[in-house]
Amino acid sequence: AQSVTQPDIHITVSEGASLELRCNYSYGATPYLFWYVQSPGQGLQLLLKYFSGDTLVQGIKGFEAEFKRSQSSFNLRKPSVHWSDAAEYFCAFYDYKLSFGAGTTVTVRA
Amino acid sequence: NAGVTQTPKFQVLKTGQSMTLQCAQDMNHEYMSWYRQDPGMGLRLIHYSVGAGITDQGEVPNGYNVSRSTTEDFPLRLLSAAPSQTSVYFCASSYLTTSGRASGANVLTFGAGSRLTVL
Repeated sequence: AQSVTQPDIHITVSEGASLELRCNYSYGATPYLFWYVQSPGQGLQLLLKYFSGDTLVQGIKGFEAEFKRSQSSFNLRKPSVHWSDAAEYFCAFYDYKLSFGAGTTVTVRA
Repeated sequence: NAGVTQTPKFQVLKTGQSMTLQCAQDMNHEYMSWYRQDPGMGLRLIHYSVGAGITDQGEVPNGYNVSRSTTEDFPLRLLSAAPSQTSVYFCASSYLTTSGRASGANVLTFGAGSRLTVL
């Protein structure tokens, strides 16, 4: 079945350090992929999306993601993390409906 | 512009009680959906709708009913609440594209969530 997997449940990173969140997908064709962020007590906000074309996608808040077909991955990165990036991050996959991974919680330490 | 409005934000029910979670959007979105969020399981799709009068089941539809009588509203009904339905519920909406597979793939706008506890 088509799906997305986020291998890391929880990541702790120091403020100013780089961040990479992993997302693997399982799908036969080119998938539509998304990254959403959920701040504590809030709904979800779209960070970026990939439909086709350039495999390096720029998003809001300084995030980017790279689609790698050979690795079935769509990892999210940020070069320098801010304390406000502490949140839960969801990778999502669309094929007639939007399905979410289990999420990765990011903790930022000072 | 209110976006997606969910009510109530918090609700406590006893097992067997019924209730309706309300969802309204003012963006003229064709696509509306309900998700539940549980720890370690991400968001799971309960029901969705691609327009007034059209609804369909998602991954976890059992115990929930929906209807879509207007473009703006998409209420979620729990007919006989169970403790397993304790969760945070999110309503989300989007435009539809005209391309078949891309329909529904546009950016979802989420409500702030409704936290439901069933005792």
